[in-house]
Amino acid sequence: DIQMTQSPSSLSASVGDRVTITCRASQNISTYLNWYQQKPGKAPKLLIYSASSLQSGVPSRFSGSGSGTDFGLTISNLQPEDFASYYCQQTYSTHLTFGGGTKVEIK
Amino acid sequence: QVQLVQSGAEVKKPGASVKVSCKASGYTFTGYYIHWVRQAPGQGLEWMGWINPNSGDTNFAEKFQGRVSMTRVTSISTAYVELSRLTSDDTAVYYCAAAAGVRRAGFFVHWGQGTLVTVSS
Repeated sequence: DIQMTQSPSSLSASVGDRVTITCRASQNISTYLNWYQQKPGKAPKLLIYSASSLQSGVPSRFSGSGSGTDFGLTISNLQPEDFASYYCQQTYSTHLTFGGGTKVEIK
Repeated sequence: QVQLVQSGAEVKKPGASVKVSCKASGYTFTGYYIHWVRQAPGQGLEWMGWINPNSGDTNFAEKFQGRVSMTRVTSISTAYVELSRLTSDDTAVYYCAAAAGVRRAGFFVHWGQGTLVTVSS
C-alpha cells in the first residue's frame, strides 16, 4: 500500500497566522491527493481534491499544492474555526490511504 | 440534500461480529461508491474498503481481508459493513462516505454521522 506521511503531527498557531501542512507519498501519486478537516466528534469534511482544487463552499484561505510525492495544505489568515485536525488522502491506488493527521491548536 | 444516516452505537464482546448500516438519500444510490472508514479513539482515519452499489463489486484494505464484508440493498438505498472476529482493537467510530467514482473522482464529498462500535468483555 502507498504510505502517506504528514508533518507536523501537531502545531500551535495564532489567529491570523499562515500555516502549512505537508504530506509525502511513498510513491508517485500524480495529483490524486485530497485534504480533509475534522473537528472533535464530527465527520471529516472535504477541503481540497486533486491536490489543488477547492471544494465548493470552502473558504479561499485554504489552498493545496504539489504533485508526485510532495504536497502541501496552506491556511492563510488562520481563523478560530480552523482549529481542527487535517488529513491527506491518496486515491491513486485502488487501496486508499490517509496520512496520520495534523492537529492545529491555538497558541 | 444528500444524507447518509448510519445505525446506532453497538457494544459487542470479543469474537463477535457487528453489522453497521448506512442509508442514503437525496441522490441516486447506485451512482456513488460507498466507502467505509474507521477511527479508533484519539487516532487517525483508516480506510476499510468500498462497495459499488450498482454492481455490488467490493474492494477491501489488506488488513481487513477475510474479516470484512460489504453489501447493499438497492431497493432501500442502504449499504452495510460487517466485521467479524472482533477484538478490542476494533473499538472505533465507523463512518460511511460517498464518492462519485474511483481515483480522480475518489474523494469523499458526503459522510455519515459515524457509528461507535465498542468491543468489550
